[in-house]
Amino acid sequence: EVQLVESGGGLVQPGGSLRLSCEASGFTFSSYEMNWVRQAPGKGLEWVSYISSGSSIIYYADSVKGRFTISRDSAKNSLYLQMNSLRAEDTAVYYCARALPSYYYYMDVWGKGTTVTVSS
Amino acid sequence: SSELTQGPAVSVALGQTVRITCQGDSLRSYYASWYQQKPGQAPVLVIYGKNNRPSGIPDRFSGSSSGNTASLTITGAQAEDEADYYCNSRDSVGNHVLFGGGTKLTVL
Repeated sequence: EVQLVESGGGLVQPGGSLRLSCEASGFTFSSYEMNWVRQAPGKGLEWVSYISSGSSIIYYADSVKGRFTISRDSAKNSLYLQMNSLRAEDTAVYYCARALPSYYYYMDVWGKGTTVTVSS
Repeated sequence: SSELTQGPAVSVALGQTVRITCQGDSLRSYYASWYQQKPGQAPVLVIYGKNNRPSGIPDRFSGSSSGNTASLTITGAQAEDEADYYCNSRDSVGNHVLFGGGTKLTVL
């Protein structure tokens, strides 16, 4: 079964850091591009970041650029999101999502998400 | 940067047809995809590209596009189709991924 499982969420103070992980199974992770998407409480979906299959191409939303870093480890079938200088507005459920081949903005497999709460 | 605009809510009688629309300049260059999200669940891809359905998505879901507007049509809406629907595409200027604000579908 194709599956993505996020972890690493939690409560963090403003200005703090957190590292999210996403473990993939059931498909050849190294062949797929990946995205992080978040959803603030009661709000819509917001794209956060993209990474190519070989990590050579990376994009960030303006709202997180310079604070968040996406990475991947194909040996561990895992995707990561290092989040620094966290703000209250970063509070959200964070989803990792697999991109369709050749269409990095279409996402065909999603994890269940991990919740990040930024609060003092 | 570009953005995608959706109406906040739409309703449909059980078994009838409903269209959900998404507008944006980038849609003149790139097809949209559509996601269904039920409360407390992750989004599910229902339509991508010109009009493609992933495996397991009922054929009552279809997509179309004209100019700067993409549409998701549900022909013969079922109670289980009640959900939030999001369109998505990419920025035509940069490389950013865009999501619409979402449309809440109520099946009466």
